[in-house]
Amino acid sequence: QVQLQESGPGLVKPSGTLSLTCAVSGGSISSSNWWSWVRQPPGKGLEWIGEIYHSGSTNYNPSLKSRVTISVDKSKNQFSLKLSSVTAADTAVYYCARALREYYGSGSYYRHWGQGTLVTVSS
Amino acid sequence: SYELTQPPSVSVSPGQTARITCSGDALPKQYAYWYQQKPGQAPVLVIYKDSERPSGIPERFSGSSSGTTVTLTISGVQAEDEADYYCQSADSSGTYGVFGGGTKLTVL
Repeated sequence: QVQLQESGPGLVKPSGTLSLTCAVSGGSISSSNWWSWVRQPPGKGLEWIGEIYHSGSTNYNPSLKSRVTISVDKSKNQFSLKLSSVTAADTAVYYCARALREYYGSGSYYRHWGQGTLVTVSS
Repeated sequence: SYELTQPPSVSVSPGQTARITCSGDALPKQYAYWYQQKPGQAPVLVIYKDSERPSGIPERFSGSSSGTTVTLTISGVQAEDEADYYCQSADSSGTYGVFGGGTKLTVL
């Protein structure tokens, strides 16, 4: 059973860069899956941030694309999120998840999630 | 950008049937997925591929699809089903993920 665990600073200053890591256990990050980030502002809904394949291929939410970088470290079996130029609107619980796809050309969905980590943007 | 539209809230009495809809232009081309989220917890997948139920999810949860609308149905609602429910899918090319705005299910 794959498990995911987010880690990183819980407080980031405005205009700074948010950096989070998701450690994967119980499975290899080099398996045939995409690996995703999803966030949820306090009291609001879920927002898809983006995803990465172990080859390094990425897909990003068009609304965040200019500020987001997702990378993978196969040697550590983990993947990471960087979000630059953050504002208070980026305050959210950030989840990492293993993405599954039914066939080539279908979208991702998520059976396995991390517990989530709250990141607050404040000076 | 592509959007999925859900009603903000649905209320039912225990034992009744709750239906939560989700509309999106690409739903005829892409599967829909449903998640249950309780306060302080990560989402849990309750329906995949429009109508399939993962193991461990009660039979009272079901999904259906018709054109640009998918529906999550909870038959015989129980108090423990009170939660936020999110539909999720992708754009027509399958590249970008998208979540609906969420529906708060209240069990009266």
